Amino acid sequence: GQQLNQSPQSMFIQEGEDVSMNCTSSSIFNTWLWYKQDPGEGPVLLIALYKAGELTSNGRLTAQFGITRKDSFLNISASIPSDVGIYFCAGHLNNNAGNMLTFGGGTRLMVKP
Amino acid sequence: KAGVTQTPRYLIKTRGQQVTLSCSPISGHRSVSWYQQTPGQGLQFLFEYFSETQRNKGNFPGRFSGRQFSNSRSEMNVSTLELGDSALYLCASSLKPRTSAYEQYFGPGTRLTVT
Repeated sequence: GQQLNQSPQSMFIQEGEDVSMNCTSSSIFNTWLWYKQDPGEGPVLLIALYKAGELTSNGRLTAQFGITRKDSFLNISASIPSDVGIYFCAGHLNNNAGNMLTFGGGTRLMVKP
Repeated sequence: KAGVTQTPRYLIKTRGQQVTLSCSPISGHRSVSWYQQTPGQGLQFLFEYFSETQRNKGNFPGRFSGRQFSNSRSEMNVSTLELGDSALYLCASSLKPRTSAYEQYFGPGTRLTVT
C-alpha cells in the first residue's frame, strides 16, 4: 500500500542531542499526525497538525505542517533515554472516500546514555 | 477515560484456521479502524467502520472481514489463515469520521502468529 517517505530510517544519537525527522508525500493531506511506538505496543499519538504552516509543540517535541501540505517534520530537543522507540508520521485526507491514515515507514530512534 | 482495548493480546493459530479479534473503542468514539503491521510492509490500513457500516476498505483479500456493533465495539475476522498473516493487528478509534480535526487513538494490538 501507499506509504509516506519518512527519513531517516534510523538514528543513533547521544543523550542530550536534538533530533529531527521528516515525512514527504506526493499527495496533499488535511491533517498530519505524529506517533511513537514502543516494542509490543500500539502507536501513541504525540502531536496533531491541522493547518498548513502550523507549528505545534508538546513538551520537548515540535512538529510543523508543511506549507505545501505535502510534508511535515518532527523535532525532539535534548533527547533522553525514554525517547527510544519508533516514530511514525501519518497523513489524513478529509474527503468523501472515508477515513484512513497513510503512514510513513517509521524512524527508529536509539539514544545512548 | 479508558483507552482502546483489544483482546486477545497474543494468539497462535495454525494455517487454515480462522481467527476473530476484538476491539473496544474509547468511550464516545464511534469510528473504528483496523491496521495490519508487519516488519516488511509497515502499517497497512484494513478497514474502517462507523455506525455499524464499513466506510472504507484497504487492499486486502476477502479473507479479511470485520463488523461493528451498535455499542461501537468492533471485531475483525481472518479466515483460512496463511503464514503471511502473522502480524500485529491494531485497532484505532476516533470520535467520528470526516471531521476537520481528525485524530486516531490506537490500542495495544493483537499479536497473531500463524504456524
